[in-house]
Amino acid sequence: KAGVTQTPRYLIKTRGQQVTLSCSPISGHRSVSWYQQTPGQGLQFLFEYFSETQRNKGNFPGRFSGRQFSNSRSEMNVSTLELGDSALYLCASSYNTGELFFGEGSRLTVL
Amino acid sequence: AQKVTQAQTEISVVEKEDVTLDCVYETRDTTYYLFWYKQPPSGELVFLIRRNSFDEQNEISGRYSWNFQKSTSSFNFTITASQVVDSAVYFCALSERVEFNQAGTALIFGKGTTLSVSS
Repeated sequence: KAGVTQTPRYLIKTRGQQVTLSCSPISGHRSVSWYQQTPGQGLQFLFEYFSETQRNKGNFPGRFSGRQFSNSRSEMNVSTLELGDSALYLCASSYNTGELFFGEGSRLTVL
Repeated sequence: AQKVTQAQTEISVVEKEDVTLDCVYETRDTTYYLFWYKQPPSGELVFLIRRNSFDEQNEISGRYSWNFQKSTSSFNFTITASQVVDSAVYFCALSERVEFNQAGTALIFGKGTTLSVSS
């Protein structure tokens, strides 16, 4: 069974640009959650999508957004990038919300 | 507010030693879930265990064991006879109960404990 796939794995952007990250969940999983991991703040919950609807949202500014498609694939977008947005962005899928399966992440560097 | 504290930032042991990773949590919820995840250098978090607040029974899975004590709000993780492959960052996490008695996916993570096992 294929795991959670995130693309791209690495990317470099400059301040002010925007970025879109993609996540393909495990087949059959309808819940996709996104987390940001930084050395300073650790792992922080961004948002969760379930059946194409945002079901929960963390405490992040509106520059961070996401969506989910009918095939459960999800994208997250960060607009007007800031240096502090440099992080590992992890996507996790879940079948029954109790156990999260994480991808290897997309490492974003903002210059 | 919910909070998870992993006071040990880094632990170094030699193979075959036993090691315990501490986790202390804070929550006002009466129903909640606790997790442990392992993050190897590749980056993905690997699920190890989930425990709900009504189940204080200790659990053992091979060389891994977990001790949940509500009285002290702790959920400690012990690796017996550690191996080099156990080297990773270990995270303890907490989530609230959502509908249908399921754990929510908005996990509150601790800062993690980096475990280094040398041969």
